[in-house]
Amino acid sequence: AQSVTQLGSHVSVSEGALVLLRCNYSSSVPPYLFWYVQYPNQGLQLLLKYTSAATLVKGINGFEAEFKKSETSFHLTKPSAHMSDAAEYFCAVTQNSGYALNFGKGTSLLVTP
Amino acid sequence: ETGVTQSPTHLIKTRGQQVTLRCSSQSGHNTVSWYQQALGQGPQFIFQYYREEENGRGNFPPRFSGLQFPNYSSELNVNALELDDSALYLCASSPLVNVNTEAFFGQGTRLTVV
Repeated sequence: AQSVTQLGSHVSVSEGALVLLRCNYSSSVPPYLFWYVQYPNQGLQLLLKYTSAATLVKGINGFEAEFKKSETSFHLTKPSAHMSDAAEYFCAVTQNSGYALNFGKGTSLLVTP
Repeated sequence: ETGVTQSPTHLIKTRGQQVTLRCSSQSGHNTVSWYQQALGQGPQFIFQYYREEENGRGNFPPRFSGLQFPNYSSELNVNALELDDSALYLCASSPLVNVNTEAFFGQGTRLTVV
């Protein structure tokens, strides 16, 4: 079954520092991978998605992710953290059926001044 | 263009009761999916509706049921509520049944079962 594992339930960075949120996937077929962000008391917003086109995917708000098949990884990065980036981030992969998503447990990002 | 809206935003129910949650999909979207997000966890897929038919289901018992209406809005019904049903319930709509198109999420309904 398709699944993702997010390493680190909490990540803390200083404002202006690099953001790195880790996601590894398990898939028997080429996966479609997603990163979503969830702000407090809100639903999920799509940051970016990988659908087998380019391995480096650029998303909204300055985030990007690189698909590395050899490492089965799809880590999310942002060169310089902003206070407004504090939120919960979820990595997700399509299920075998192709019509639903399997989410990771999430990583809570804290940005300190 | 309005986004995905869910109602109510919060509610409290007693164990054993029944609850109905509602979702209005984004304009032009014919596919609606429901997810359950327990505290501190990622969302778990409950089921999906496409053109008023259930199109797929996750690992949830039959007491979780749903409907989709001709205007593509949807309901999630849960019977015989249990304490573990306490969670944020998210609705997502998309213009195509294939999940590789972007799914737009509502803000969710926070259900507390006491």
